[in-house]
Amino acid sequence: QKEVEQDPGPLSVPEGAIVSLNCTYSNSAFQYFMWYRQYSRKGPELLMYTYSSGNKEDGRFTAQVDKSSKYISLFIRDSQPSDSATYLCAFNDYKLSFGAGTTVTVRA
Amino acid sequence: NAGVTQTPKFRVLKTGQSMTLLCAQDMNHEYMYWYRQDPGMGLRLIHYSVGEGTTAKGEVPDGYNVSRLKKQNFLLGLESAAPSQTSVYFCASSGPVRDTEAFFGQGTRLTVV
Repeated sequence: QKEVEQDPGPLSVPEGAIVSLNCTYSNSAFQYFMWYRQYSRKGPELLMYTYSSGNKEDGRFTAQVDKSSKYISLFIRDSQPSDSATYLCAFNDYKLSFGAGTTVTVRA
Repeated sequence: NAGVTQTPKFRVLKTGQSMTLLCAQDMNHEYMYWYRQDPGMGLRLIHYSVGEGTTAKGEVPDGYNVSRLKKQNFLLGLESAAPSQTSVYFCASSGPVRDTEAFFGQGTRLTVV
């Protein structure tokens, strides 16, 4: 079993829709939970970061963590064409591990 | 402030050739990582380092070697390139503790023919 499983996508949504992205993990040692965004032909950039169960909001983005279920989610409200990218969940114990990524396209 | 710089950006190798990818960071970070990214596979960790002079294997280390002789540099070597090593390689750094943001380089596109 892989340590991190991410819903593969791809997702295509109309502008203004809510985007929901999900990851599960198996390693109980993971303490830090992150979402990275990667535009085409670029390196990933940190989008959201949390270390506790619950919700964290940053503008149109909400990161949700459920440690008991080993499940994390990212929600994008009022999605924009500029949100079109690949989103990767990431987990940190003594190394940084990534999910496979979900490619999101927001249609104008 | 350059951040994380990877050299080269593109390279084509013949099977059996060797090469070294260089990663340099100017943020005084302790942690450095090498990943490869293939379609549908996400970022897979090849090797990582938690400080100068230390290295450790990641998820897919076979066929690669690394060195961290200086804190700011992390080198990834391919001793005998194989077509299966065709990929996009990303270097990242973070620190001073492991729960801080990782910064990525722009990637190296390697093709082995």
